[in-house]
Amino acid sequence: QKEVEQNSGPLSVPEGAIASLNCTYSDRGSQSFFWYRQYSGKSPELIMFIYSNGDKEDGRFTAQLNKASQYVSLLIRDSQPSDSATYLCAVRFPLFFGTGTRLTVIP
Amino acid sequence: DADVTQTPRNRITKTGKRIMLECSQTKGHDRMYWYRQDPGLGLRLIYYSFDVKDINKGEISDGYSVSRQAQAKFSLSLESAIPNQTALYFCATSDSNRGPETQYFGPGTRLLVL
Repeated sequence: QKEVEQNSGPLSVPEGAIASLNCTYSDRGSQSFFWYRQYSGKSPELIMFIYSNGDKEDGRFTAQLNKASQYVSLLIRDSQPSDSATYLCAVRFPLFFGTGTRLTVIP
Repeated sequence: DADVTQTPRNRITKTGKRIMLECSQTKGHDRMYWYRQDPGLGLRLIYYSFDVKDINKGEISDGYSVSRQAQAKFSLSLESAIPNQTALYFCATSDSNRGPETQYFGPGTRLLVL
């Protein structure tokens, strides 16, 4: 079983919709969880981190963590074409990354 | 100027050659990392260093070696390059004294082994 698993997509949503990205992890001892965004040909950049069960909101982004289910998700509200990128889930430290989910927001 | 720089940005080499990828940072971070990215496989950790005297293997260290010459410099070497080492390589840094410990990535080095 891989350390971190993501649906590779691609995921397409219309502009203004909510995009939901999901990730599961295998190590129950993982304490920290990160979402990175990577535009084509660019390096990954941090969007959000979450440590505690529940939701964490930052602008249009909400990270959700459920340690009992070993599940972390990222919601993007009011999706914009500029959100089109690959989203990488990462756990613990040093980071283990999922394979990423490619998101396309259709104008 | 970029906080994390990688040289070269692109490199073409032949099977069996020894090559070195270099990473420098001006962020003052103590920790540095090397990852490779392959289509469909995501980012995988090769080596990491928590300080100048500390080197640790990651998920896929076979065929690679590293050197932490200074706090700001971390080099990755391919002793004898092979075609399946063709990939995009990223260096990253983090600061253990600042929470949460976020990794910052360099622009990447695209390596092609013929």
